[in-house]
Amino acid sequence: GQQLNQSPQSMFIQEGEDVSMNCTSSSIFNTWLWYKQDPGEGPVLLIALYKAGELTSNGRLTAQFGITRKDSFLNISASIPSDVGIYFCAGQSPNSGYALNFGKGTSLLVTP
Amino acid sequence: GAVVSQHPSRVICKSGTSVKIECRSLDFQATTMFWYRQFPKQSLMLMATSNEGSKATYEQGVEKDKFLINHASLTLSTLTVTSAHPEDSSFYICSAGSGGSDTQYFGPGTRLTVL
Repeated sequence: GQQLNQSPQSMFIQEGEDVSMNCTSSSIFNTWLWYKQDPGEGPVLLIALYKAGELTSNGRLTAQFGITRKDSFLNISASIPSDVGIYFCAGQSPNSGYALNFGKGTSLLVTP
Repeated sequence: GAVVSQHPSRVICKSGTSVKIECRSLDFQATTMFWYRQFPKQSLMLMATSNEGSKATYEQGVEKDKFLINHASLTLSTLTVTSAHPEDSSFYICSAGSGGSDTQYFGPGTRLTVL
């Protein structure tokens, strides 16, 4: 499968700041997903998006499914130290048997 | 959410030996399981897709004779790394779904170190 373009690669911010990261693809996906991975653990699903243009929130997290179906962004508002981790976007479509195509990840560091 | 377990969580083996990793869906039936590999500071890369009762579908560049996948039941899939070499050292993660576009749930991963 293809690897998605995710940016930024890393972010170093202060507690309380807002964070934004995005993902683009050369192909269309039916589903966009955002995961967080802590060191030595598997990814944990944060938000799932199923419809072009959809804007979904989960607490301080907000994500949108791009109109073109080739991009998505994730915003984290008022960051806290436990937001530290690596965030991955993933696209899914029936064409790939519903396997996930992941972005390269955004490493987030939050200082108190 | 649904729970997926992996065993072992960590394994160290000698070069040339084989290692089996189990992936179990604990509270749902997984018609499809996916195996991913993650090298340090990199993303997850799909290795193969496994459907219960049928042969796994491998991604390009993944040797099916080296990475044996068995999905014998709706709650268990195994990945066997045969004749492991140091370059096979990686973090292996499975995910399970109940089919179609349903959400996939990831296991906690298995850290393989080949000496």
